[in-house]
Amino acid sequence: EVQVVESGGGLIQRGGSLTLSCAASGFAVASNFMTWVRQAPGKGLECVSLLYSGGDTYYTDSVKGRFTISRDNSQNTLYLQMNSLRAEDTAVYYCAKMTRGYGSAIPFYYYYHIDVWGKGATVTVSS
Amino acid sequence: AIQLTQSPSFLSASVGDRVTITCRASQGISSALAWYQQRPGKAPNLLIYDASNLKSGVPSRFSGSESGTEFTLTINSLQPEDFATYYCQHFNTNSPLTFGGGTKVEI
Repeated sequence: EVQVVESGGGLIQRGGSLTLSCAASGFAVASNFMTWVRQAPGKGLECVSLLYSGGDTYYTDSVKGRFTISRDNSQNTLYLQMNSLRAEDTAVYYCAKMTRGYGSAIPFYYYYHIDVWGKGATVTVSS
Repeated sequence: AIQLTQSPSFLSASVGDRVTITCRASQGISSALAWYQQRPGKAPNLLIYDASNLKSGVPSRFSGSESGTEFTLTINSLQPEDFATYYCQHFNTNSPLTFGGGTKVEI
């Protein structure tokens, strides 16, 4: 079964550090675009970070320099190292796998969407 | 970066209603748009990809369409389990993974 399972969430003081893990099964993390999407209480979805299969990374501006996305191919696991945590980082963090397909329209393009979501890990930053 | 503007933010409807949600992209994105449903306390669930392709197993009352940079999710004959929040999403390798602001469909 293709799935991802997050762990490592919890209550942390402002300024502290936390590492989220995302154990994947049924597919190779290294061969796919993987992302961390968060959702603050009562708010919408926000891509925090993305790790391309080639190793390039993306971070949203508010976490640049504080968060680091990485993977361990031997463990088939994705990580999100979070430092200098702020109250506004409080959210449910979803680990997710992206998939790519050939678009149906012309001219040629790829479409991407998330086809596997974890159940989420709750991070609460106390002030 | 491409931005997605969803409307309305909230929608009040009744069982059996036809509901339409709109997502407008800030620039052309071909048909590379997906729609998700999220129920309270749960992860989002893919409904539609490539603007109009229904994910296997999703009821046929859900449909997607597009006109230029405006994309539409339509739910025909709203069912009790459809009361949820809906998000549009776009990504390409030149633009970050982006979601619309969400549309909450309430009774």
